[in-house]
Amino acid sequence: GNSVTQMEGPVTLSEEAFLTINCTYTATGYPSLFWYVQYPGEGLQLLLKATKADDKGSNKGFEATYRKETTSFHLEKGSVQVSDSAVYFCALRPNTGNQFYFGTGTSLTVIP
Amino acid sequence: GAGVSQSPSNKVTEKGKDVELRCDPISGHTALYWYRQSLGQGLEFLIYFQGNSAPDKSGLPSDRFSAERTGGSVSTLTIQRTQQEDSAVYLCASSLSGRGTQQPQHFGDGTRLSIL
Repeated sequence: GNSVTQMEGPVTLSEEAFLTINCTYTATGYPSLFWYVQYPGEGLQLLLKATKADDKGSNKGFEATYRKETTSFHLEKGSVQVSDSAVYFCALRPNTGNQFYFGTGTSLTVIP
Repeated sequence: GAGVSQSPSNKVTEKGKDVELRCDPISGHTALYWYRQSLGQGLEFLIYFQGNSAPDKSGLPSDRFSAERTGGSVSTLTIQRTQQEDSAVYLCASSLSGRGTQQPQHFGDGTRLSIL
């Protein structure tokens, strides 16, 4: 079956620290992978995506590389800011059908 | 509109009442999804619509929940005889489909439902 497992939070970091949020997946075939971000009081927004193995998605200083050999899509940022405080969701879309599968979300708080 | 629109943004109602939540997807998006997000929890899939096909209702938690999508566009999620455990944020998303797997979902801001 299809599923996403992501690092449990909450995560608290100081400003300018390095961020990694782990995400691994189980899927048949070759899914597309996504990271969504949910800022306080808002809906989910697409942060970045990767559609095939070895692709690197990037946006707003965040990066994630689609690793098929380890079935992972870890989110990284070299220097976090207070404004990055949000909940981050990893998700996959299988290569058949239109269903999406989400991780449980990881809450990030960045303190000045 | 430019994005997925949900209404109302907030709804407070008494236990036992029925509620209707509305979602207006991005124009041209044939796939529409409803999720529930309880406090501190991840996304719980409820139902999704794909064009004129029968919806996938596998995530609906009970027969008090139903949804329809009229004309392949606007969708309404109805909760009958609300219970306190129905309190949550209800998120709607839409996406393009039939064009490969690369298309992401686009989410509305959600409806925050509070059952007293």
